[in-house]
Amino acid sequence: EVQLVESGGGLIQPGGSLRLSCAASGFTVSSNYMSWIRQAPGKGLEWVSVIYSGGGTYYADSVKGRFTISRDISKNTLYLQMNSLRAEDTAVYYCVRDGYKEWGQGTLVTVSS
Amino acid sequence: DVVMTQSPLSLPVTLGQPASISCRSSRSLVYSDGNTYLNWFHQRPGQSPRRLIYKVSDRDSGVPDRFSGSGSGTDFTLKISRVEAEDVGVYYCMQGTHWPQTFGQGTKVEIK
Repeated sequence: EVQLVESGGGLIQPGGSLRLSCAASGFTVSSNYMSWIRQAPGKGLEWVSVIYSGGGTYYADSVKGRFTISRDISKNTLYLQMNSLRAEDTAVYYCVRDGYKEWGQGTLVTVSS
Repeated sequence: DVVMTQSPLSLPVTLGQPASISCRSSRSLVYSDGNTYLNWFHQRPGQSPRRLIYKVSDRDSGVPDRFSGSGSGTDFTLKISRVEAEDVGVYYCMQGTHWPQTFGQGTKVEIK
């Protein structure tokens, strides 16, 4: 059974950093492309970043230069390093397997002073 | 970026009656391989989105057959043949043909 479990969210001050993790089971993270999607409170879904099986990465313009997606093959885990956080980054962050069939439960990031 | 426009944004429905949601894209969603990567998702309050339909009309396993997807090019539709209480929530279309992948604004379905 495929499972995605995010962690690492929390309350952080503007300008701060946070690293989200997504532990995967039932498949190999490095064999798929993996994405981070976020959802601001009461809002819709926004694609944030993707890492391809070959290692290529892409980012939404809104996070480019501040966020970094990566993976640890030995831990079968996806990460999202978030730096220079802003209030508008406040959202539930989901990790998603390619095809968007499997989603994690999400982790809430709140950027506020 | 490809803009996905859903209508209506709010859809009050009567139990047992049909419902339909439209999704239009600002560019054709036909990919170079001939496939059209248009997905539909359902999200209940406090839950993660669940994919219902992929490639316009393919239903995911476990999705009731009262859900159907149709369309081509830039115009797509999700239909629920007979709405049940568990169908309430927000429905999103999403295109996976062009990067970045983009979502519609969402359509909130509620029971009258």
